[in-house]
Amino acid sequence: NAGVTQTPKFRILKIGQSMTLQCTQDMNHNYMYWYRQDPGMGLKLIYYSVGAGITDKGEVPNGYNVSRSTTEDFPLRLELAAPSQTSVYFCASKTGDQPQHFGDGTRLSIL
Amino acid sequence: QKEVEQDPGPLSVPEGAIVSLNCTYSNSAFQYFMWYRQYSRKGPELLMYTYSSGNKEDGRFTAQVDKSSKYISLFIRDSQPSDSATYLCAMSARGSTLGRLYFGRGTQLTVWP
Repeated sequence: NAGVTQTPKFRILKIGQSMTLQCTQDMNHNYMYWYRQDPGMGLKLIYYSVGAGITDKGEVPNGYNVSRSTTEDFPLRLELAAPSQTSVYFCASKTGDQPQHFGDGTRLSIL
Repeated sequence: QKEVEQDPGPLSVPEGAIVSLNCTYSNSAFQYFMWYRQYSRKGPELLMYTYSSGNKEDGRFTAQVDKSSKYISLFIRDSQPSDSATYLCAMSARGSTLGRLYFGRGTQLTVWP
């Protein structure tokens, strides 16, 4: 049982480039989330999804987009990378009132 | 005022010590309270999960929730070097279909042999 899997683990981008962070879960969870974690800070919610085809903005959505075409996958897209998007990105999933389960993150540097 | 306040530390203790980690919050709607442990370069791992007030014990770990004071705690007994990590408190409101979590900043703990 893999849980929540994120790829890639590390990535360096140039300013203005685009990329997609991948997240997949094999627990049949309906809720999925994207967070970013900056040094010394808690996690901030970027986008979330309550099921396939349904997504909505979280606390810090600017500069990001998401889609949810299947229950398992919830990719996060950066269209025009900016230095302020240098961070560690975590994907999480849950079902019902159960707590969220997290992946191991993608470390992204934008230079 | 941030919704969840947590002292970032760092906290350094000798092996065998009792560790106390705390968070305060301002939103009285919070009903679910969690502690996550995060090792370096890894994702948060659920450690304790409680609903409403009271205590919950799991091995060397005890979580306490005092809703009247809006204060939650995590106690670690007989601390071990393997407990060295960042501990994040998180909470959410009941009835929220989103189940959005509000996180503290995390407390960095080092347990030295």
